[in-house]
Amino acid sequence: EVQLVESGGGLIQPGGSLRLSCVASGFTVSNRYMSWVRQAPGKGLEWVSVIRSVGTTAHADSVKGRFTISRDNSRNTLYLQMNSLRAEDTAVYYCARELFDREDGYNHGFDYWGQGVLVTVSS
Amino acid sequence: DIQMTQSAPTLSASVGDRVTITCRASQTISDWLAWYQQKPGKAPNLLIYKASTLESGVPSRFSGSGYGTEFTLTISSLQPDDFATYYCQKYDSYPWTFGQGTKVEIK
Repeated sequence: EVQLVESGGGLIQPGGSLRLSCVASGFTVSNRYMSWVRQAPGKGLEWVSVIRSVGTTAHADSVKGRFTISRDNSRNTLYLQMNSLRAEDTAVYYCARELFDREDGYNHGFDYWGQGVLVTVSS
Repeated sequence: DIQMTQSAPTLSASVGDRVTITCRASQTISDWLAWYQQKPGKAPNLLIYKASTLESGVPSRFSGSGYGTEFTLTISSLQPDDFATYYCQKYDSYPWTFGQGTKVEIK
């Protein structure tokens, strides 16, 4: 059974740093594209970062230069290192696995999500 | 970046109603579109991908259509469990952008 379990959230002051973790089970993280998606309180969904199976990464403009996505293959765990945090980074952060369609060989949206972890940036 | 716009932020409907939610892309995205359902306090759940392919385990009352810039999610007969917020998402290239969401409420 596929499971994603996030941890590492909490209250942090503006300018501070935090690292989120997402432990995966039921599949191998390094074989799939994995993303972080966030949702500010009462707002919609915002894609944040992706790490591809080959290890390359991409980030939303809103977090570029401040956030870094990575993984530890030995721990089957995804990470999001968040630096220089701002009030507007306050959100529930989800890790999510991209759906891989064997018929066409492409990824199509997110088929599994974690339960989410709340990050609150406030003084 | 391509923007995704959903037709209405809220939609009021009754059990048994046919419900249609519209999503428009600011540029063509072929059929690289997914739909999600989200309930309060829960992670989103994938319903449809490739604009019209039903994800495994999703009830057949959900269907998707469209291509290019105009897409629709249809619930053929609204059930009590379907009252939730629905998001479209384009995934032709990063950044993967979501629509702002449509909340389906009880009429």
